[in-house]
Order: sequence, then structure tokens, then C-alpha cells
Amino acid sequence: KQEVTQIPAALSVPEGENLVLNCSFTDSAIYNLQWFRQDPGKGLTSLLLIQSSQREQTSGRLNASLDKSSGRSTLYIAASQPGDSATYLCAVDLYNTDKLIFGTGTRLQVFP
Amino acid sequence: DTGVSQNPRHKITKRGQNVTFRCDPISEHNRLYWYRQTLGQGPEFLTYFQNEAQLEKSRLLSDRFSAERPKGSFSTLEIQRTEQGDSAMYLCASSSQRESTDTQYFGPGTRLTVL
Repeated sequence: KQEVTQIPAALSVPEGENLVLNCSFTDSAIYNLQWFRQDPGKGLTSLLLIQSSQREQTSGRLNASLDKSSGRSTLYIAASQPGDSATYLCAVDLYNTDKLIFGTGTRLQVFP
Repeated sequence: DTGVSQNPRHKITKRGQNVTFRCDPISEHNRLYWYRQTLGQGPEFLTYFQNEAQLEKSRLLSDRFSAERPKGSFSTLEIQRTEQGDSAMYLCASSSQRESTDTQYFGPGTRLTVL
């Protein structure tokens, strides 16, 4: 059974810091891995999707890496801003299934 | 492209009542998913449609839950005889099989509170 774990569960940092959020998964037979952002009481916004054949994806200040063999992904946020405050969720999509399996998220607070 | 929409956004009901939620996917997305999210947890998969066919149902989806997508466009999720444990955010997502990335796009969710 695929399990997805995210650490840390919560993070509070001053504005301007570079951050690394971690995601680990137990079954390496993944089709892709997605990182999402969720604001309180809202739906999910897709940030980055990494296919199983890829090592990383970048979008603006965000960079996500994937190491399938070790079952790990990291989300790097450069020069954090207060507007980055949200919960960040990673999710894996397994081969031969069409459902996402989510971690419990990292709650990020960036203070001015 | 107006994104995935869900209605209502909030629903408060008494235990034992039936509720129905609606999801309108991104137009021409042939796949539609339902997830449930409780406080402090990540979303959990409930069920999934490809066009009008319901292809997978989670064991979380008890007999009190039913989902339909009659014309392969919008979908409804009905919960009968609601229980307090059904209180959660119900999220809908859609994707296109024609997209190489299979990215799932999520709606804003329906927050259900069962009193």
C-alpha cells in the first residue's frame, strides 16, 4: 500500500528565506508526482507535476525534484514571501490507477 | 476555460438528512474525480469517472454514498442518512486523457458540516 509522508508538518520562517519541503513515498512505481498549494478553507492549486521519467521541474521561484529510487521528492521555494503562506501537499499517481495519494501536507507560514 | 466549479460551497445539515453536491469539470475533460478531506489531513480518493463510466470506488465510499455522471459532463455526489463523521471538505477534480501530463485540476470544494 502506497504511503506518502511529508515533513516537516509545519514551518514558520521569516520573509526572504529559501525553503525545502520534503515528501517521501513507499512505492516507487509511480506515474507522476504533483505538488499542490492549499489556502485555508480552499481547494487545491497545482504547482508542479513531475513525470516519473523526469528529475525536476521549475516554475518561477519553485523547483521540485524527484528521486524515484529513494522514494523522495523535494519542493524548493526560493526567496519566500508572506504570500507563500499556505499548506503544501504532495501527491503521487501510481501506474495502472487514476487516483492521487496525498501526504498530510506541510503548513508554511512566512512572516514579514 | 472557467475551471472546475462546485456547488454549494458550504452545506450545513442535520444528522440523518440527505445531501447532494454538484461538480462541473473543465469543459472537455473526460475524467472526473471525487476526494474527501478532513481537517489536518490530505485529500482521500473516493471515486473516479471516465466519461460517464464510474471506473473505481474507494472502500471509503459506503453504501450511503452514490456518485453519478450521467452525460459525461457534470457529476453529483449524494450522501444519504448523513452522520457526523461525514463532516469534511468534498473536493472534485478533472483531467483530460488527451493531456500527456494527466494533471488533475481541483475545484474549490464543498464543505459539509453535519450537526
